Amino acid sequence: GAGVSQTPSNKVTEKGKYVELRCDPISGHTALYWYRQSLGQGPEFLIYFQGTGAADDSGLPNDRFFAVRPEGSVSTLKIQRTERGDSAVYLCASGTGSYEQYFGPGTRLTVT
Amino acid sequence: ELKVEQNPLFLSMQEGKNYTIYCNYSTTSDRLYWYRQDPGKSLESLFVLLSNGAVKQEGRLMASLDTKARLSTLHITAAVHDLSATYFCAVAPYNTDKLIFGTGTRLQVFP
Repeated sequence: GAGVSQTPSNKVTEKGKYVELRCDPISGHTALYWYRQSLGQGPEFLIYFQGTGAADDSGLPNDRFFAVRPEGSVSTLKIQRTERGDSAVYLCASGTGSYEQYFGPGTRLTVT
Repeated sequence: ELKVEQNPLFLSMQEGKNYTIYCNYSTTSDRLYWYRQDPGKSLESLFVLLSNGAVKQEGRLMASLDTKARLSTLHITAAVHDLSATYFCAVAPYNTDKLIFGTGTRLQVFP
């Protein structure tokens, strides 16, 4: 079956601009996670949804970052006033809410 | 502060040799994950360890968990070139679903 998909695969934006990153989870998965991975580092947790609600947003670095999942399926990560330090690969994962997390291919964000 | 530490950070090993990667973590956890990542690719799940003393094996890789010592190991037996990748361990702190990742171990297997 289809895995987690993320669009776009690459995004280049100028400092100060707004970006949206999209995640389509595996069909039927109720849990959805966002992580970001900087070069040479392990992924860093951002936010976790169970259904439509954010169950844990403790990893969002500041109020420029926001994520939604209005219908309990697709999720969008939104970054306002992007900074060069936001450049990273943004990974989405989904799961059934038990313990497995299946990762998508990621969106590589470059802020110039 | 929760920490997940892996060692070594880089491992260059000859085909046919055995080696162990170590993962130490600093909080109570009931789940320990091992992932593989190839360059430019996403994370592939290898093992999920759910209890103290759990041991899982797949091919040339075997993972174990000691929750009392807060230690997991990933043992590589008779390494082959195809195992070259970066390996991450990750911990789900007790009563949460977020994963805290280690910095990764970059494994290079040469002939």
